[in-house]
Order: sequence, then structure tokens, then C-alpha cells
Amino acid sequence: SYELTQPPSVSVSPGQTATITCSGDKLGQRYASWYQQKPGQPPVVVIHQDTKRPSGIPERFSGFSSGNTATLTISGAQPMDEADYYCQAWDSSNVVFGGGTTLTVL
Amino acid sequence: QVQLVQSGAEVKKPGASVKLSCKASGYILTRNHMHWVRQAPGQGLEWMGIINPNDGGTGYAQKFQGRVIMTRDTSTSTVYMQLTGLRPEDTAVYYCARVAHQCLETWGQGTLVTVSS
Repeated sequence: SYELTQPPSVSVSPGQTATITCSGDKLGQRYASWYQQKPGQPPVVVIHQDTKRPSGIPERFSGFSSGNTATLTISGAQPMDEADYYCQAWDSSNVVFGGGTTLTVL
Repeated sequence: QVQLVQSGAEVKKPGASVKLSCKASGYILTRNHMHWVRQAPGQGLEWMGIINPNDGGTGYAQKFQGRVIMTRDTSTSTVYMQLTGLRPEDTAVYYCARVAHQCLETWGQGTLVTVSS
């Protein structure tokens, strides 16, 4: 079965750039999405189809995917961006999630 | 606007079954696939399966094969997820999520299922 690997945690200072990676075999050939989840809330998509940002998501969120890695970048991370982030890809019609990355901004 | 409203929290004993609902509004149910995802306390997201509300077709994660049934009622714009043979490790928040733009674009608020004797 298809697997996605994320680092368990990433830490940045406010205003710095946070980069979260997601690795999977030939991931660049599949669409990747990224979800932000804050405690007690459902996930919210912040990037879909590798690079697209839904309406209402701040411009500081961006995505890129190539080869075996998809990347979520938060440029000028804010304390409000502290959350768990999950990457997701498709395996046929099945959903595959990465294990999640806890982003700390302080 | 598109909204998914899930049923309330459940407490079940081991071996019991639970049937959760997810009522869609703001769009036509049959136009988008729906997925179920669960999250155990302090853990990550775990995909359970998919239902195509248009024809009722389903696909389940291998882990849940034989224990999960996903159905829909187009007259009420509601999808259901039934999980049988509950175990304490099934304690989790269960989410429904609508597919759009090649992602799980809209999520329900989640339903906490607690399995305890």
C-alpha cells in the first residue's frame, strides 16, 4: 500500500519560513493536498492539487511537489499557524495521509 | 454554503455497533464522493472508506473490511457509516469529508465515539 512520510515536528520563530515535507514514491505524479488541524477542530485544506490555495487561506501558505516529495511552505509563520499539518495523496480512489507534522511557532 | 453536519457523540460497549450520520447541505449530495476518516485521541488521521452517493458504490480500507458499511439516503442528503464489532481501540472522532478539487474540501464537525465497558 502507498505510504507518505512526514517529520513529526517542525519549529520556527515568528516571521520565519516554515517548511514541511511529505515523501512518497513518485509523489510528484499524484496530486498532493495539505490540511491544517488545530486542537478540537476538524482539518482544513490549505493546499490542494499540489500548489492551489483555497479561497480564504492566507497567501503565506504555498505548496510544491516534484519527484518523491511534496512541500508545504509557510512564509512568515504566525503564532496562529501553530497546528498539526497532514499531507494527503490518492491511491486510486483511496485516501492516504501522512503521519502528520506538529508545527510550533515560538 | 456547503455544510456537513454529523450526529452526536456515542458511547458503546465492546462488541456493539454504531451508526453515524452526516447530513449534507448547500449542494447536491450525489455530485461528490464522500469519505470517512477517523482520529484516535492524540493520533493522526486514518482513512476508513469512500461512498459514491450517486450510485451507492463503496470502497473500504482493508483494515475495516467486514466491519464497516457506508450507505446513503439521497432523499435526506445524508450518508451513514456503520461500524460493527466495536473495540476500545475504535474510540475516536469520526469525520465525514466531501471531495472537491481533488481534495477533502469540506469536513463535518466530527463525532466522538467512545467504546468502553
